[in-house]
Amino acid sequence: DQQVKQNSPSLSVQEGRISILNCDYTNSMFDYFLWYKKYPAEGPTFLISISSIKDKNEDGRFTVFLNKSAKHLSLHIVPSQPGDSAVYFCAAPDSGGGADGLTFGKGTHLIIQP
Amino acid sequence: GAGVSQSPSNKVTEKGKDVELRCDPISGHTALYWYRQSLGQGLEFLIYFQGNSAPDKSGLPSDRFSAERTGGSVSTLTIQRTQQEDSAVYLCASSVLRGETQYFGPGTRLLVL
Repeated sequence: DQQVKQNSPSLSVQEGRISILNCDYTNSMFDYFLWYKKYPAEGPTFLISISSIKDKNEDGRFTVFLNKSAKHLSLHIVPSQPGDSAVYFCAAPDSGGGADGLTFGKGTHLIIQP
Repeated sequence: GAGVSQSPSNKVTEKGKDVELRCDPISGHTALYWYRQSLGQGLEFLIYFQGNSAPDKSGLPSDRFSAERTGGSVSTLTIQRTQQEDSAVYLCASSVLRGETQYFGPGTRLLVL
């Protein structure tokens, strides 16, 4: 039973356009969410996070939106650049308070086409 | 500053052998986590250390898996009598304090033949 779901294994977007990566969760106790980016042969790197008390958090080209009623969050990247090609993981702390491990989705492979 | 480092970067072993994977967290980080990523899967939480103690071992998949952390710094993940299904990338992460952003190492790619 996956608590964090990323239903799109891959996404192809043209350079300069907006990339939208989606994530759904089932555990209503989750109150903090993170997005990580992973290049091949490297560990994941933290990208952006959002607390459940907010519905939007923006950092440069990256914006995360949270819809608690729908248990859905999305990561928007605009404009998309070739260096954004990577696997993106949505994650939430297991206990909802960040105490222990993170529960990750399976990831979405974003491909930015020139 | 130095990030999280892991060794070896790659390990090929025969079924039934024991392996040890090492993690050096970022200096000053008190919390340390182990995850694994099997082919086509997301990251799976294995174990968490706060200082030297391991309050959360809930993710360890079997009693063949164990981990320790000495001196509040370096951690070793040991897999005994490896099986082919243990083949995965084993990732270590650390954070300043419990609940703060986790920073990941590059991982150890384990292949059990």
